[in-house]
Amino acid sequence: DTEVTQTPKHLVMGMTNKKSLKCEQHMGHRAMYWYKQKAKKPPELMFVYSYEKLSINESVPSRFSPECPNSSLLNLHLHALQPEDSALYLCASSQAGGRPQHFGDGTRLSIL
Amino acid sequence: AQSVTQLDSQVPVFEEAPVELRCNYSSSVSVYLFWYVQYPNQGLQLLLKYLSGSTLVESINGFEAEFNKSQTSFHLRKPSVHISDTAEYFCAVSYTGGFKTIFGAGTRLFVKA
Repeated sequence: DTEVTQTPKHLVMGMTNKKSLKCEQHMGHRAMYWYKQKAKKPPELMFVYSYEKLSINESVPSRFSPECPNSSLLNLHLHALQPEDSALYLCASSQAGGRPQHFGDGTRLSIL
Repeated sequence: AQSVTQLDSQVPVFEEAPVELRCNYSSSVSVYLFWYVQYPNQGLQLLLKYLSGSTLVESINGFEAEFNKSQTSFHLRKPSVHISDTAEYFCAVSYTGGFKTIFGAGTRLFVKA
């Protein structure tokens, strides 16, 4: 069982749709991450929140909008995505920077 | 700049044989080192970590890795693999207080019966 829960597990959306990915952890971790992973590749960092504030944005297109409503929740709002955005989106958390990260099982996103 | 090199993209091995997955890193500062495993349709799971102390670290399922500072390596080994060890293995580095984890390209371990 993973300690980081992501919903939904699968998402299919058109290029004009708006949807959100959700992530929740109850380990008291203060750092939370969004990664994008393409098939047979390592995860690519997108965003990092530390103490509920955005610390890192890896030059991600504005069609991806992160939100951290509280210390346990992390959302990724999606709008006007492109087919190349189809990927596995992973959420992770850690006690602090540099420490081991705990990953959710991801949301597999397909853009039609 | 930090980087991680996993020298083998795929490692096929027979069940009950030993295996070594190689990882080298480069960094100008002290690092933390990790091995993560990813099974099909799952996220990454932490397998091993080196933060400080003993350079040999072990996991509960028989894997071990040794931090070699002079060779800047953190190779993963298991004396006898099982079919269930078939997965993608990622070596990764981070540093104190840093939020960026640098992942290697991954090694696909395929255990054959």
